[in-house]
Amino acid sequence: KAGVTQTPRYLIKTRGQQVTLSCSPISGHRSVSWYQQTPGQGLQFLFEYFSETQRNKGNFPGRFSGRQFSNSRSEMNVSTLELGDSALYLCASSPRQGVSSYEQYFGPGTRLTVT
Amino acid sequence: SQKIEQNSEALNIQEGKTATLTCNYTNYSPAYLQWYRQDPGRGPVFLLLIRENEKEKRKERLKVTFDTTLKQSLFHITASQPADSATYLCALESNAGNMLTFGGGTRLMVKP
Repeated sequence: KAGVTQTPRYLIKTRGQQVTLSCSPISGHRSVSWYQQTPGQGLQFLFEYFSETQRNKGNFPGRFSGRQFSNSRSEMNVSTLELGDSALYLCASSPRQGVSSYEQYFGPGTRLTVT
Repeated sequence: SQKIEQNSEALNIQEGKTATLTCNYTNYSPAYLQWYRQDPGRGPVFLLLIRENEKEKRKERLKVTFDTTLKQSLFHITASQPADSATYLCALESNAGNMLTFGGGTRLMVKP
């Protein structure tokens, strides 16, 4: 099976702009979760989607949003970008809902740089 | 608030020895604990998941323990190899719900 894919792999945006990142889960996986990884804060949970519904959300401002489509593909959107949003954004998929109770399969990430 | 601590200093060991990494947590009681490996520039790779009612779990050269009294998990790699060199992350079920809270990771360097 093909692994989790994320596009684009690298992105440079200007402060104030918005960005949309895409994630295609492993075939058959219905849970998609998103994470932000920075050197200072480490790996932090953003949200989980399952069956097109957001199931859990981490402690991030409303500028961070996402959605999931009927084919389980997911997008994450960040509006009004700030310099502190520069990070590696990781997507993970799992066959079942509940990120803490089932193994997560991570994609390679999208490296976002905000200037 | 909940806190997860992994040794931020790199762990250097000789090939063939057993590497032991520590994950300590405070202020909550997770039902699940996971360990991941991450190589530079890549996403984490799942290694093991252990539940609160399991004391120990093994997979090939890997072993993880989960001591809910000490609030600590130990991750062991036996007969370590240079290819085991990576950053190892522990992740716990968050007390805020079915989410994962990750530790800062420990970098393991296995020297030939």
